[in-house]
Amino acid sequence: EIVMTQSPATLSVSPGERATLSCRASQSVSNNLAWYQQKPGQAPRLLIYGASTRATGIPARFSGSGSGTEFTLTISSLQSEDFAVYYCQHYDDWPRWTFGQGTKVEIK
Amino acid sequence: EVQLVESGGGLVRPGGSLRLSCAASGFSFSTYGMNWVRQAPGKGPEWVSYIGSSGSATHYADSVRGRFTISRDNPKNSLYLQMNSLRVEDTAMYYCARATKSGYDSWGQGTLVTVSS
Repeated sequence: EIVMTQSPATLSVSPGERATLSCRASQSVSNNLAWYQQKPGQAPRLLIYGASTRATGIPARFSGSGSGTEFTLTISSLQSEDFAVYYCQHYDDWPRWTFGQGTKVEIK
Repeated sequence: EVQLVESGGGLVRPGGSLRLSCAASGFSFSTYGMNWVRQAPGKGPEWVSYIGSSGSATHYADSVRGRFTISRDNPKNSLYLQMNSLRVEDTAMYYCARATKSGYDSWGQGTLVTVSS
């Protein structure tokens, strides 16, 4: 099983600042990497797929990068609605797609 | 608009059974493989099971194989998960999710399963 490790567990950021979240895979997943946002009481929502392609309707302030085993999600200027938990997930070993444990982005 | 609506969760004793359902609308259900994904409190999501578009192909996570059975009824646009021999560690929110080549692009709101004595 491919293990996904996210860091940090919690990120404290002020509104308007940049947030940088990291995700590492235990083996190469090429660019088969997605990012999800989850708010309390809601299901995860797909933000990024293919490591860097924004899903439909996702604002341009969200960007993804990386390939192989190291990936980054950047939120360029945090808005109030962006405070949430973010998960990375690989889809390289179908159908056993695994998620990271999440990074909580909270208001500083 | 794609809609997935789960039902059937609840409180059950260890060793008990539950059947979850997912009603799909807004897309051609019979042309998509479907999944169940669960999320324990405070944890990341975990894939549970997959079924192919026709229902002939199924896959399970090791943690549920032999206890859970996934099925679908395409004319009724419905997905099911029969859960037997439930354990405390099966406690989670269960989501049905549509998968594409690029991840899970649509999720239901989830149904909560609590296994406790």
